[in-house]
Amino acid sequence: DAGVIQSPRHEVTEMGQEVTLRCKPISGHNSLFWYRQTMMRGLELLIYFNNNVPIDDSGMPEDRFSAKMPNASFSTLKIQPSEPRDSAVYFCASSLDKRSNQPQHFGDGTRLSIL
Amino acid sequence: GNSVTQMEGPVTLSEEAFLTINCTYTATGYPSLFWYVQYPGEGLQLLLKATKADDKGSNKGFEATYRKETTSFHLEKGSVQVSDSAVYFCALTSGTGANNLFFGTGTRLTVIP
Repeated sequence: DAGVIQSPRHEVTEMGQEVTLRCKPISGHNSLFWYRQTMMRGLELLIYFNNNVPIDDSGMPEDRFSAKMPNASFSTLKIQPSEPRDSAVYFCASSLDKRSNQPQHFGDGTRLSIL
Repeated sequence: GNSVTQMEGPVTLSEEAFLTINCTYTATGYPSLFWYVQYPGEGLQLLLKATKADDKGSNKGFEATYRKETTSFHLEKGSVQVSDSAVYFCALTSGTGANNLFFGTGTRLTVIP
């Protein structure tokens, strides 16, 4: 079975540019999560969706960040304008549903570098 | 609130040594507890989980027991291999109806031949 698929795997762009990260969750999974991983801050939850609806976006750093989930098989995380401090690895994860005993399945991440 | 405190790394062990990585937690509600492993350049993979007190999760020779009395979920393996070298994350979900994970800081394990 296909796991969580993220694209691109690597992105290098200049400060001020718009960046769009993409995620395809596992088919049949109803919850989707976006995380950011840095050396300084570890893993941070940015936002999560349940049944395509954003439930908690309190981890989104600021208005430059936005996330959408137009359907059950696709989500995007957008940064506009990007800044060097946004450089990190961004992970998408999905789980079967929102019950707390359900594990999350992670994609391989997008390594983002903002110059 | 919800938080996970994890043993600081890095940890370096010789092959076939015994491994313990300590993890303690604070949670509202009745949390589920997880260990995830991250190999270089990859995402996190679920290693094992326990969803109620006294449950033992196990996988690939790793074990962890959900101890409510000590609020702990320590990871153990009796004999590590070079292929176990990775970063290990302890995590919880709060058990209050949402399954967003709260992670520890991660412990890097290096196993040398």
